[in-house]
Amino acid sequence: GAVVSQHPSRVICKSGTSVKIECRSLDFQATTMFWYRQFPKQSLMLMATSNEGSKATYEQGVEKDKFLINHASLTLSTLTVTSAHPEDSSFYICSARGDRSSGEQFFGPGTRLTVL
Amino acid sequence: GDSVTQMEGPVTLSEEAFLTINCTYTATGYPSLFWYVQYPGEGLQLLLKATKADDKGSNKGFEATYRKETTSFHLEKGSVQVSDSAVYFCALSVSGGSNYKLTFGKGTLLTVNP
Repeated sequence: GAVVSQHPSRVICKSGTSVKIECRSLDFQATTMFWYRQFPKQSLMLMATSNEGSKATYEQGVEKDKFLINHASLTLSTLTVTSAHPEDSSFYICSARGDRSSGEQFFGPGTRLTVL
Repeated sequence: GDSVTQMEGPVTLSEEAFLTINCTYTATGYPSLFWYVQYPGEGLQLLLKATKADDKGSNKGFEATYRKETTSFHLEKGSVQVSDSAVYFCALSVSGGSNYKLTFGKGTLLTVNP
C-alpha cells in the first residue's frame, strides 16, 4: 500500500522558535497533500490543502502566516510553525493523495509538537 | 456545514463480542462515507467506504451501510479480536472538488480484552 512518512515524530521547542515538519509520500506521487491538527479527544481538523507547485489553500481560521506550507515536489510537503507558542502544541498529521487513489487519502503517523 | 457525529468512547469489549460504533452525518451535498482506523503508533488507514446510498462497505470483517434516510453509516463487526483495538474515525467527503477534503468525527477508542 501507499506509505506516507512524517519527520520528526516528536518535537519539543521553546516559545518563539520555528519548527518544520516534513511529510513524504514514499512510493507514490502525491498531487495533493493535506495538513491536519488534532487536539486530545477531538477530531482531526483540516488546516490546509496543498497542490504541488501552487500555494496552499487554508481553511477558515487558520493563520497562513503562522503555518507555512510548502509543496515543492510530488513527494514532499513541509509545514513550518513560525514563532511557536504553547497554544500551538498539538498533534499534526499529514495525508497525501495521488492521481490514481480515487480520492483516498494516505495518512502519515503524525508529529507531536510541544512548545514550552 | 458538513459534520460527522460518532458515538463517544471509549468502548471496551471482550474478544468475540459484537461491535457497533454509531455514526451520523450532515452534509451540504451528496457525500461519500468512510471509516478510518488508527492502530497505536500508526497513521490512519482506510478501513472501508461507501459512495452512494444503500452501498455496503466491508473489510476485515467490518461492515457499514450507507443509509441516506437516516444519514447514518454505523460500523459493525460480528466478533471482535484483540488486534482490533484501535481508534476508529467516521468521515465524509463531499464530491465536487478535486481535492476530496475529509470531515472527521471525533474518533472512538475501542479496546478488546482477551
